[in-house]
Amino acid sequence: SQQGEEDPQALSIQEGENATMNCSYKTSINNLQWYRQNSGRGLVHLILIRSNEREKHSGRLRVTLDTSKKSSSLLITASRAADTASYFCAGPRNSGNTPLVFGKGTRLSVIA
Amino acid sequence: DGGITQSPKYLFRKEGQNVTLSCEQNLNHDAMYWYRQDPGQGLRLIYYSQIVNDFQKGDIAEGYSVSREKKESFPLTVTSAQKNPTAFYLCASSSTGPQGNQPQHFGDGTRLSIL
Repeated sequence: SQQGEEDPQALSIQEGENATMNCSYKTSINNLQWYRQNSGRGLVHLILIRSNEREKHSGRLRVTLDTSKKSSSLLITASRAADTASYFCAGPRNSGNTPLVFGKGTRLSVIA
Repeated sequence: DGGITQSPKYLFRKEGQNVTLSCEQNLNHDAMYWYRQDPGQGLRLIYYSQIVNDFQKGDIAEGYSVSREKKESFPLTVTSAQKNPTAFYLCASSSTGPQGNQPQHFGDGTRLSIL
């Protein structure tokens, strides 16, 4: 029942560089969400993008959604060591009132 | 501050023992969820509840049980029938509305290990 699949599985960049993570999903969705998880902690909601939106910004985060390709991307600009975390996309499991399905995540390491 | 509290942070289970993980929220959310996370993996849904006194099985409910007697509380019991319980357990909640459309708020997890 996995909805989202992130790519790459792991990413290592230098501080100040941009980080791009991708998410592909299988079925039609009405929204897609991105979460961050610091090591040993719970997930934190970052952004929700609706199917009628193509791009959404929040601070240094930019999320895009391409419903024709069933894909989304999360861009973190000017990355910092504190951005080191795992990032997950999540989407509705199917139509109706059903819980989210999470991907396996991208592990981002930002090296100072 | 509103949030979700999970306790304990670390828990050890002996062979044949049932253990209960606590999850309390003061966000006034109707829906609550339990997930299991194995190393380097995503989240797998164990059980969820959309309203008090009602809950549904998720993808990996075998060996687990839950109750939802109060809106604020959604405890998870890991029974002796769960043969591989070692994992990181996360509790989450979300507000009223189609669940797939609502952001989820998470606790900081309980790490369960076998003695």
